[in-house]
Amino acid sequence: QVQLQQSGPGLVSPSQTLSLTCAISGDSVTSNSAAWNWIRQSPSRGLEWLGRTYFWSKWYTEYAESVKSRITINPDTSTNQFSLQLNSVTPEDTAVYYCARWRHDPRYFDLWGRGTLVTVSS
Amino acid sequence: DIVMTQSPLSLPVTPGEPASISCRSSQSLLQSNGHNCLDWYLQKPGQSPQLLIYFGSDRASGVPDRFSGSGSGTDFTLKISRVEADDVGVYYCMQSLQTPLTFGGGTKVEI
Repeated sequence: QVQLQQSGPGLVSPSQTLSLTCAISGDSVTSNSAAWNWIRQSPSRGLEWLGRTYFWSKWYTEYAESVKSRITINPDTSTNQFSLQLNSVTPEDTAVYYCARWRHDPRYFDLWGRGTLVTVSS
Repeated sequence: DIVMTQSPLSLPVTPGEPASISCRSSQSLLQSNGHNCLDWYLQKPGQSPQLLIYFGSDRASGVPDRFSGSGSGTDFTLKISRVEADDVGVYYCMQSLQTPLTFGGGTKVEI
């Protein structure tokens, strides 16, 4: 059964780095038919796509402009997972963070992690 | 960025009755191949979003045929022919044409 298992701390101090991991089972992070995404959800910003990584002969990453200076999404082929790092967090980064699989063709998110509530607070 | 606007914000429904949600994009989502790059997702209470409709009108696997999507270009509609109690939640449209992928603000459907 294909699934995405998220892990990471639920509380991060302001100015620190938010780090989450998404473990893939039943598929491969190197699949050429998928991209691996991070999306967050908060009452103030709704659903917000943060970025993705995918493999098409080489690795590609794309980030939302709103977080581009602070975000890194990395694939890990040895453990078949991908990660999110968001630096210099503020309380505005408090949200539920989801990892999700994107299908290039057709174009949609067909698999989501359960979500991780990350609170930025001292 | 493509801005997605949904209406209404909240939709009270009666089981057995039809329901309709609108979504408008700030630019055309129609590709040259004829596909409209518009998805619909449902987020049930306490769950992650789940795919209902892609390419504007194609139902995802396992989605009941009471759900249908229509529209083209910048104006789209999700219809539920006969609402069931299990259909409650927040419905989102999302444009899949280009990054950044962007979502509508959501429509809360409640009995």
